[in-house]
Amino acid sequence: DIQMTQSPSTLSASVGDRVTITCRASQSISSWLAWYQQKPGKAPKLLIYTASTLESGVPSRFSGSGTGTEFTLTISSLQPDDFATYYCQQCNTFPLTFGGGTQVEIK
Amino acid sequence: QITLKESGPTLVKPTQTLTLTCTFSGFSLSTIGVGVGWIRQPPGKALEWLAFIYWDDDKRYSPSVKSRLTITKDTSINQVVLTMTNMDPVDTAAYYCAQRLGSGRGFDYWGQGTLVTVSS
Repeated sequence: DIQMTQSPSTLSASVGDRVTITCRASQSISSWLAWYQQKPGKAPKLLIYTASTLESGVPSRFSGSGTGTEFTLTISSLQPDDFATYYCQQCNTFPLTFGGGTQVEIK
Repeated sequence: QITLKESGPTLVKPTQTLTLTCTFSGFSLSTIGVGVGWIRQPPGKALEWLAFIYWDDDKRYSPSVKSRLTITKDTSINQVVLTMTNMDPVDTAAYYCAQRLGSGRGFDYWGQGTLVTVSS
């Protein structure tokens, strides 16, 4: 199985901050990576797929980059609606695997 | 508009079999490339993928629970069913079904999830 490791697990930031979350795969997954946002009590929401393609309707302050084994999700200017937990998921091979999540908290 | 909704029991006893139904609309599971998966999330924990079914009825399972899972689809009534045998308290989680538009993508649309508690 491909293991997905996210860091940090928790991140404290203020509105307007630039935020970066890292996701590492235990082996190369090319660009087959998705990012999700999840708010308490809600289903995850797809933000980015194929590492850098923004899902329709997702604000442009979100961006993704990386290939191979290292990936990043960046929020260019954190907004109040962005405080949530973020997950990466490798879409390269079955079994599909998720990272452990990064909770973005208000500083 | 694509929607998915999970249904099933909220409480099951240990050793019982769980049957969850995902009823969807706005897409066809006969369309090439489309698939539906099940993902669960124990309270306060991360997401865990369980099973996936393709438009052509090909199926994939998580190795950690493969022996306990069965996923099926009924394209005529737009439903995907997941059964999990021998339920245990550690299986307490929110269970989500989600649609994937094509290979290599993430899950594009998700149901609201259903919380299943395993307790005697």
